[in-house]
Amino acid sequence: QKEVEQDPGPLSVPEGAIVSLNCTYSNSAFQYFMWYRQYSRKGPELLMYTYSSGNKEDGRFTAQVDKSSKYISLFIRDSQPSDSATYLCAMRKNSGGYQKVTFGTGTKLQVIP
Amino acid sequence: NAGVTQTPKFQVLKTGQSMTLQCAQDMNHNSMYWYRQDPGMGLRLIYYSASEGTTDKGEVPNGYNVSRLNKREFSLRLESAAPSQTSVYFCASSGTGVSYEQYFGPGTRLTVT
Repeated sequence: QKEVEQDPGPLSVPEGAIVSLNCTYSNSAFQYFMWYRQYSRKGPELLMYTYSSGNKEDGRFTAQVDKSSKYISLFIRDSQPSDSATYLCAMRKNSGGYQKVTFGTGTKLQVIP
Repeated sequence: NAGVTQTPKFQVLKTGQSMTLQCAQDMNHNSMYWYRQDPGMGLRLIYYSASEGTTDKGEVPNGYNVSRLNKREFSLRLESAAPSQTSVYFCASSGTGVSYEQYFGPGTRLTVT
């Protein structure tokens, strides 16, 4: 079983829709939770990070963490064609003094104008 | 400020050939990483360097070697390329802030025939 599971999609939505992207994890040692966005043929870039259960908002993006259920989500409001990308969840834990990051496989999102 | 740069962008090798992928960062980060990204597998850590002068194996180190040449540069070498090493390779670096955000380069697309 993978430590981090993410539905690969693809997910196709109309412009203006609310998008929900999700990951589950199995290791309760994960302390920090991140979402990266990766445009086609580019490197991933950090979108949001959080380290506590609850919600964190940044503009149209909301990251949600439920540590009791080992479940994290990224919500995108008023989705735009420019949001079309692959979204990777990532989680970090302390592993022998090193901050080990484990990535999900990514969900490909397409926002249709 | 270029961030993380990688060379080459594309490479085709024959089985058994060797090559070195170059990576450099100008953000004065201590830690650097090499990942490979394959469809359905996500980002997998090959090697990392927590600080200048140290390197450690990641999840999939077999068939690779690395050199942390100085604080800026971290190279990845394939001594005898195999078709299973066909992948997109990303270099990343991170500082020591709360998020330990990893900054990624644009990637190298490698095909081994």
